[in-house]
Amino acid sequence: KAGVTQTPRYLIKTRGQQVTLSCSPISGHRSVSWYQQTPGQGLQFLFEYFSETQRNKGNFPGRFSGRQFSNSRSEMNVSTLELGDSALYLCASSLTGTADFSANEKLFFGSGTQLSVL
Amino acid sequence: QKEVEQNSGPLSVPEGAIASLNCTYSDRVSQSFFWYRQYSGKSPELIMSIYSNGDKEDGRFTAQLNKASQYVSLLIRDSQPSDSATYLCAVNRDFGNEKLTFGTGTRLTIIP
Repeated sequence: KAGVTQTPRYLIKTRGQQVTLSCSPISGHRSVSWYQQTPGQGLQFLFEYFSETQRNKGNFPGRFSGRQFSNSRSEMNVSTLELGDSALYLCASSLTGTADFSANEKLFFGSGTQLSVL
Repeated sequence: QKEVEQNSGPLSVPEGAIASLNCTYSDRVSQSFFWYRQYSGKSPELIMSIYSNGDKEDGRFTAQLNKASQYVSLLIRDSQPSDSATYLCAVNRDFGNEKLTFGTGTRLTIIP
């Protein structure tokens, strides 16, 4: 079974630009979550999508947005990039919606997209 | 106060010894607790989950939860050099809710 696939692996942008990151979950997984990881703050929750709807949202500005498609693939977008947006962006998928809550909550992470803002 | 706190380390443990990693959390109603392992340059990988007070064992790993003290720990027995990684504690407030709050991680080094 293929794992979570994130593209691109590396990205270099300049301040003010926008960027779109892509995530394909494990087959059969319906929930996709996005996290930002930085050395100082660690892993921080951005948002979670299920059935094309944003189900949870973290404390990030509106410049950070996302969406999920009918095949569960997800994209996240960051507009008007700032230097502080430089980070590893991780996507995670999970089963969700099953009767076994312990199975639902197991997150499987992709390799991430390393974003550098110059 | 951070929602999930871990000692950042580094924690150095001799090969074959027991490594003990600790985590405290601030939200009393937290329901689910997880330990992830992250090798340098890699993504986090789930190694343990625990939901009830007490101990849960899986191979060389034991997770311990004390909800009254808002404390969760991970013990690694017979530590191996391959256990050298950053260990992330994660907490979920609600069952079936995939919004995890992570600690900043403890860097563990196993000394051969």
